[in-house]
Amino acid sequence: GAVVSQHPSRVICKSGTSVKIECRSLDFQATTMFWYRQFPKKSLMLMATSNEGSKATYEQGVEKDKFLINHASLTLSTLTVTSAHPEDSSFYICSARDYSYNEQFFGPGTRLTVL
Amino acid sequence: AQSVTQLGSHVSVSEGALVLLRCNYSSSVPPYLFWYVQYPNQGLQLLLKYTTGATLVKGINGFEAEFKKSETSFHLTKPSAHMSDAAEYFCAVTLTSGTYKYIFGTGTRLKVLA
Repeated sequence: GAVVSQHPSRVICKSGTSVKIECRSLDFQATTMFWYRQFPKKSLMLMATSNEGSKATYEQGVEKDKFLINHASLTLSTLTVTSAHPEDSSFYICSARDYSYNEQFFGPGTRLTVL
Repeated sequence: AQSVTQLGSHVSVSEGALVLLRCNYSSSVPPYLFWYVQYPNQGLQLLLKYTTGATLVKGINGFEAEFKKSETSFHLTKPSAHMSDAAEYFCAVTLTSGTYKYIFGTGTRLKVLA
C-alpha cells in the first residue's frame, strides 16, 4: 500500500516550453502533497506544499509563477514548469501523505532536461 | 526551528564491516525521525522511522537506528555491509503536527569496498 507514481519519469524539452509533471497517490487519498527538487549529488529541497482544493504554499525563494502547482483531487497533484530554461533542469520528486499517516510516501522522481 | 545534521558526506566501509551513518537533529518538540535510501535516478525508499515507543528501531535490509533524546541523535547502523548497500542515505525530521513537512539532512553517500 501507499504507492505514489510520477509521470513522466524522464522528459527532455526545448527552452521556453512548459512541462507538466503528474504525481498520483495510487491506493490512498493524499490530503497533502509535497514537491521537491534535487540537484546532482545534493539533498532534497522542498519547493512547495499543497493541500487538496487550496493554493500551494511555496518555500522561500521558489517562484510560484514559474512552478505552478495544482492539487485538484485527493489523488493527483501536478507541477508545471513554465517557460523552462536550462537552469530548471533537475530531478523533481513528489511525495504524499494522508491525515492518517505520520510519514510521506515518495514518488520515483522525474528527470527534467531543458535544452 | 528544526534542523538535521548528517556528519560525513561520504563514508566508505569494507564489505562485511559495520556501517554507521550519523544523524543529529534539533527540534523544540518531540520529533518524528526517518532514514531513507536513494539509489541513482530513483526516488526515496523508507528504511525505518521513529515516531513513539521503542527507541531502537529496526528497518529493512538489516538496518536499525536508535533514538537518543539526550544526545539528539538518530544514527543508522548495520552490522555487516553488503555491496548492494552502496547508495545515498538521508536522515529527515518532521514536526508531529501541522503539515508534517520534512527537513532533510544533506545526505551521506555510502561506498562499500570489496
